[in-house]
Amino acid sequence: GNSVTQMEGPVTLSEEAFLTINCTYTATGYPSLFWYVQYPGEGLQLLLKATKADDKGSNKGFEATYRKETTSFHLEKGSVQVSDSAVYFCALSIRMGRGGSEKLVFGKGTKLTVNP
Amino acid sequence: NAGVTQTPKFRILKIGQSMTLQCTQDMNHNYMYWYRQDPGMGLKLIYYSVGAGITDKGEVPNGYNVSRSTTEDFPLRLELAAPSQTSVYFCASRPGQVENQPQHFGDGTRLSIL
Repeated sequence: GNSVTQMEGPVTLSEEAFLTINCTYTATGYPSLFWYVQYPGEGLQLLLKATKADDKGSNKGFEATYRKETTSFHLEKGSVQVSDSAVYFCALSIRMGRGGSEKLVFGKGTKLTVNP
Repeated sequence: NAGVTQTPKFRILKIGQSMTLQCTQDMNHNYMYWYRQDPGMGLKLIYYSVGAGITDKGEVPNGYNVSRSTTEDFPLRLELAAPSQTSVYFCASRPGQVENQPQHFGDGTRLSIL
């Protein structure tokens, strides 16, 4: 089946530390991969995406590379800020039967807290 | 610049009551989705729609109903609320017919069934 496994949280870092959140997936075919971020009290927002192997998605200093050989899409940031405190979700997109729509399969989320 | 709007933001229901969670989007997106988010878990798909008049079940549809009479609106109905339906509900939309487009999420409805 299709599934996403991401590292358990919570993760607590000091400002300017390096961040890695691991994400691996199982899927039939070649899904698109996404990282979404959820700030407290808000809905999910797209952080970055990659649609094929070796693609690198990047946004706001975050990066993730689509690795088909290891079925991974790890999220990294070189220097985190307090404002990066949020829950991060890895997701893959698979096609559903009706109308060609796509479904997102989410990991469980990783809560990040960045302290000053 | 409204995007996806969900109402209400919070609600407490008694067991057996019914209610409708409202979702509307102003981006003319064909595809709309309802998810539930339980503590420590990712989002699970309840129902989705690929256009007005067309709806389909997701992973966890039991206890819910939906309708899609217009492109803009996609309400979710709970007929007989149960404690297991205590969750945060998110509505999302995306353009149709274009691959790899991200879904746009509302801010969620936090629902407690007591």
